[in-house]
Amino acid sequence: QVRLVQSGAEVKKPGASVKVSCKASGYIFTSYGISWVRQAPGQGLEWLGWISPYNGKTDYAQKFQGRVTMTTDTSTTTTYMELRSLRSDDTAVYYCARGRPPRYLVDYWGQGTLVTVSS
Amino acid sequence: DIQMTQSPSTLSASVGDRVTIACRASQSISTWLAWYQQKPGKAPNLLIYQASTLETGVPSRFSGSGSGTEFTLTISSLLPDDFATYFCQQYSNYYTFGQGTKLEIK
Repeated sequence: QVRLVQSGAEVKKPGASVKVSCKASGYIFTSYGISWVRQAPGQGLEWLGWISPYNGKTDYAQKFQGRVTMTTDTSTTTTYMELRSLRSDDTAVYYCARGRPPRYLVDYWGQGTLVTVSS
Repeated sequence: DIQMTQSPSTLSASVGDRVTIACRASQSISTWLAWYQQKPGKAPNLLIYQASTLETGVPSRFSGSGSGTEFTLTISSLLPDDFATYFCQQYSNYYTFGQGTKLEIK
């Protein structure tokens, strides 16, 4: 079955960086995209960006351009999301999610990783 | 950017009720619209895509309709397991989510 397993919770200070991993299994890794979505406490869902494990192509939401980098390692079927210059309002649960072609509909989600930014 | 607006923000209903949640896009998205259910502390779960197609394994009491800018999610007869938060999402141009509708027990 499709599984996306994310790395554990992180606590960071303002100005630091965080890198969250997402290991995929149960499907052909390079045939689907991976999106990253976050959810601040008690809030809605916000898309950060997308990466194609097939060719490494990325698309980032304008709000996060210059501060986020997404990469993949096809040998381990793992995708990474790094967010830099963290602020307190970056505190959120970060999800990776599989994108089903052709429109990369988000169909399966990881369990989420809580990132807390606090001095 | 395409904005998605859901209504209502909170909906109180009883087991067995028929409920409808609305979602409006700020510009036409054809039928590139999905609905998700989220329970506290859990990741969202895909219910419906392309506005009206039921995801495999989702009960038939869930249905979706609409095109262009106006969409609805209907649950025909509420079960206790359906009390959760529901989000719409457009995937016509990148991705944008609605703010969510919390379905609570009356």
